[in-house]
Amino acid sequence: AQSVTQPDIHITVSEGASLELRCNYSYGATPYLFWYVQSPGQGLQLLLKYFSGDTLVQGIKGFEAEFKRSQSSFNLRKPSVHWSDAAEYFCAVGERSNDYKLSFGAGTTVTVRA
Amino acid sequence: GAVVSQHPSRVICKSGTSVKIECRSLDFQATTMFWYRQFPKQSLMLMATSNEGSKATYEQGVEKDKFLINHASLTLSTLTVTSAHPEDSSFYICSAREASGQETQYFGPGTRLLVL
Repeated sequence: AQSVTQPDIHITVSEGASLELRCNYSYGATPYLFWYVQSPGQGLQLLLKYFSGDTLVQGIKGFEAEFKRSQSSFNLRKPSVHWSDAAEYFCAVGERSNDYKLSFGAGTTVTVRA
Repeated sequence: GAVVSQHPSRVICKSGTSVKIECRSLDFQATTMFWYRQFPKQSLMLMATSNEGSKATYEQGVEKDKFLINHASLTLSTLTVTSAHPEDSSFYICSAREASGQETQYFGPGTRLLVL
């Protein structure tokens, strides 16, 4: 069964500093990987996704993520965070054989301090 | 593009009543819609998969008679929480998948349900 681990429950970062959110997955086949962001009381917005090809993917709002098959990881990064990046971030994994149903990590809460 | 709406955004109801939540894809056709439940400070748990014109598929542990799902058209799915109880209070989120690109789900803004 597929599983997704986000080791960091809460990260605090200063505005302007870099941010990296970790995501590890357990999967038998080639996964379809996603990062979503959720603001309080809101739905999820897709930041970026990886299916195949270049392992470094660019997303919206200045985010990028790198797929590393050897480490079963798909970490999310942003070089310089803005106060508006404070939110909950979810890593998700889908698989073709499971009709692309998503399994979500527990989420990482990002707090941005001035 | 790829906008999903939900209605209502918040609902408060009395215990024992039923509540209907709508999920609409506004600018694309969605052959498949998903319903999730999210408890405070927790991740999303898939409840069921809704395919247009057919019966929904429920995840293990989800009561199909409790959570009725109808996907009557390519742009609308509804979730009805029947005989709601306080333990059904939660944040319910739907997502929709475009017919032509099945990998990516687009999420609605969620519905906050409070059962008194």
